[in-house]
This record gives sequence, structure tokens and C-alpha cells, in this order.
Amino acid sequence: AQSVTQPDIHITVSEGASLELRCNYSYGATPYLFWYVQSPGQGLQLLLKYFSGDTLVQGIKGFEAEFKRSQSSFNLRKPSVHWSDAAEYFCAVGGLGSGYALNFGKGTSLLVTP
Amino acid sequence: ETGVTQTPRHLVMGMTNKKSLKCEQHLGHNAMYWYKQSAKKPLELMFVYSLEERVENNSVPSRFSPECPNSSHLFLHLHTLQPEDSALYLCASSQGHIAGGPRNEQFFGPGTRLTVL
Repeated sequence: AQSVTQPDIHITVSEGASLELRCNYSYGATPYLFWYVQSPGQGLQLLLKYFSGDTLVQGIKGFEAEFKRSQSSFNLRKPSVHWSDAAEYFCAVGGLGSGYALNFGKGTSLLVTP
Repeated sequence: ETGVTQTPRHLVMGMTNKKSLKCEQHLGHNAMYWYKQSAKKPLELMFVYSLEERVENNSVPSRFSPECPNSSHLFLHLHTLQPEDSALYLCASSQGHIAGGPRNEQFFGPGTRLTVL
């Protein structure tokens, strides 16, 4: 069965500091991997996605993520965090044969301090 | 209106009430989804409609009844809910049929915050 683990429930970083949010997945075949962001009172917005090819993917808002098959990870990074990045971040996995479902992690809440 | 819209944004109901949540997508997509988002839990997929046919139903209690009259509209009819049904209900839409496929990016609405007293 496919699953996603986001080990960090909360993360606090200072504005301007770098950020890395962790995501580990379990999936029997080649996964399709996603990062979504949810601001308070909003729905989820796609930041970036990985299907195949280059393992370093670029997304919106200056985010990037690296797919590491050997570690079953898809960590999200940003070199310099802005106060507006404070939100909930969700990693998700899906793929061929998984039907319509995307499996989401429980999310990581990011707090940005001045 | 653009994207995926949901109404109402907030709903408070008693356990004996009947209410409906509405979702509308303006993206020309052919699949629509209902998710439940509870605190401290992963998003739970409730229902999927593809071309107006229900194609997935993840063991959701019968007190939740979906309806998809056309590819742009999705409803979730609620009756005799329980307090544990209080959550954020998210609607999403996508083009394509296979989860995670290149054409299947899911676009989410802002959700309806439901409180059951």
C-alpha cells in the first residue's frame, strides 16, 4: 500500500533562512510525487510535482524538491524563506495503478519568525 | 469566477439537519473529488466522479451522499451527521483519469468548514 510520512509536524524558521521539509513515501512502483501548500482558510495549491526525468524539480514561489529513490524521499527546499511562506505543506504520492487516489501526508505547519 | 469554488464557506448544523455542500469548477475538467480534512489527520478521499459517474467511494458512511449532475458541479448532501463529522470539506477537480498522471493535477477549492453540534 502507498503511504506518505511527513516526520515534522511543526517547523519554525527565521525569515531569510533556508528551509527543508521532509517527505518519505512508500510505493511499489514508480511514484508520482507532489507538494501542496495550504494557507489559512484556503484550499490546497500545487507547488511542484515529479513524474520522471530530472530528480530535482523546480516549482512556484522559489521552491524546489529532490527525488531520491534510494531513500524514498522527496524533500522540499527553499533557500530563503519569506514571511508569506507560513502555511501548511502537504506531500502526496500517486501513480499508475493507484486508481484515482492521491495519498497525502499529515502535513507540516511552517511558522516564519521575523 | 475562475478555478474551483465552494459554497457555503462555513456551515453549522445540528445532528438532525439536512444540508448540502456545493462545488463548481470552471476549468473544463472531467473529474471531481470530495475530500475530508480533519485536524491532525491526512486528507481523506471520500468520493471521485469521472464524467459524472461515481468511480470511487472510500467506505464513507451513508449519511454523506454525493451528487454530480454534470461535469462542472458536485454536491455533497448531508443528513443526520455526527459531531465527529466536523471538518473542512474540500472539493477538487482534474483533467484525466489516473491519479498522479501528467494530466491529473488536482485543483482544490477553498473548502467548507463544517461544524456539527
